[in-house]
Amino acid sequence: DSGVTQTPKHLITATGQRVTLRCSPRSGDLSVYWYQQSLDQGLQFLIQYYNGEERAKGNILERFSAQQFPDLHSELNLSSLELGDSALYFCASGTEPYEQYFGPGTRLTVT
Amino acid sequence: GIQVEQSPPDLILQEGANSTLRCNFSDSVNNLQWFHQNPWGQLINLFYIPSGTKQNGRLSATTVATERYSLLYISSSQTTDSGVYFCAVDSFNNAGNMLTFGGGTRLMVKP
Repeated sequence: DSGVTQTPKHLITATGQRVTLRCSPRSGDLSVYWYQQSLDQGLQFLIQYYNGEERAKGNILERFSAQQFPDLHSELNLSSLELGDSALYFCASGTEPYEQYFGPGTRLTVT
Repeated sequence: GIQVEQSPPDLILQEGANSTLRCNFSDSVNNLQWFHQNPWGQLINLFYIPSGTKQNGRLSATTVATERYSLLYISSSQTTDSGVYFCAVDSFNNAGNMLTFGGGTRLMVKP
């Protein structure tokens, strides 16, 4: 157990809908990272937050957004969902620039 | 951005055999991690190893940062070692602390 928690574990929704994925980092970690794992793109970095502020941005679509709250938990919002958004979404936490610890992931299926 | 290549892409072993997985990267790094993704999709931290050598039981890893490669050694393989092994790096040139993942090595250990 990495100490990073993610909810929900599975999510099935329809095209055009909006969903929110939640992540709680390990105790003491200020950084939260979001990654997407899809069959065609592999594992890709989406976005990093550090102590509530956006720190780095990767290949994140404009339809996606994230935030980190004062208690350091983070949410990833995915809107206007398309079939191609079906993927495993991971949250990780850590202390820059060191080791990142990954949560169990949320498996999103868009039908 | 930084490029990460892993080899071989696929590996089939008999239980008890040894193996070496390789990760090449294209830029100086301040973070290098090896992960095992099990059949349930969980990403398990194996090593945080931006340089040097580490050992953990039957697994060991070596990173030669000046030559931009890392090796993961698995000795006396077991069926539970099956899964995908990922190398991921963070470049000094990155803003923030984003990990770039290689394509993975898919390992199958046969009894």
